[in-house]
Amino acid sequence: NAGVMQNPRHLVRRRGQEARLRCSPVKGHSHVYWYRQLPEEGLKFMVYLQKENIIDESGMPKERFSAEFPKEGPSILRIQQVVRGDSAAYFCASSAEGQGINNEQFFGPGTRLTVL
Amino acid sequence: GDSVTQMEGPVTLSEEAFLTINCTYTATGYPSLFWYVQYPGEGLQLLLKATKADDKGSNKGFEATYRKETTSFHLEKGSVQVSDSAVYFCALSDRGGANNLFFGTGTRLTVIP
Repeated sequence: NAGVMQNPRHLVRRRGQEARLRCSPVKGHSHVYWYRQLPEEGLKFMVYLQKENIIDESGMPKERFSAEFPKEGPSILRIQQVVRGDSAAYFCASSAEGQGINNEQFFGPGTRLTVL
Repeated sequence: GDSVTQMEGPVTLSEEAFLTINCTYTATGYPSLFWYVQYPGEGLQLLLKATKADDKGSNKGFEATYRKETTSFHLEKGSVQVSDSAVYFCALSDRGGANNLFFGTGTRLTVIP
C-alpha cells in the first residue's frame, strides 16, 4: 500500500546544471501537484497536473522550470540551469480526483535540492 | 491574495501539557481549512479539516474550529505525547476543494518526557 514516492530524497547540483525530480503518485491517482518550500517559508503551490495535461501552472516560475506527468511513468519536475535560489524542498502530492470528496492530497516525503 | 499566518516555533512542551498552535487566514470567499502534520523523514499527512464556518475538525485528540468572525483555525490538544513531536502546517484552499493549497510556515513541536 505504497504512498507517494519521491526520488531522489536529496539532490546536490552545481550552478548551471539540470535537476530532475521524480514523483510516483499513489497507485490509481491521476492528479499530481508540486509544491516548493524555501527555507523558513511555508509550502508554495507550483503546478497541478492530470495525466498528460497541465491544469494549473500559476505557481511555476516562467523560465527554467517545467513539469510533466506522462501517460506512463512518474511525474517529473525539471529545473534547468539551476541557481542557488532554487535550493529548497520540493514536495509532490497526489489525489484520486481534482474536486469533490476524493480530492484529498497525499504528500510524498520531499526532495531536498541543494545548489552549490 | 489568500494567505495563512501561523504561530512561529519551535514549541517545546512536557508530556501531558496542553497544546495550542495559532493559525489565522486571509481569503476571499469561503475557504476550506486544514491542518497537516509532518513526522521526521516523512511526507505531510492530513490531520484534520473543516469546510465551513463553525465546523470542528478532530483527529487523534487534536481539534480545530473554523472561526469565520476571527478568521482563525487554531489547533489544540488537551494532553500531548512524545509521539506528537512533528511539524504542523495550517493550510487553506480557496475553491472549496484542495487543488491549490496555501500553507503557513509550519510550527515545530517537540514534546519531552
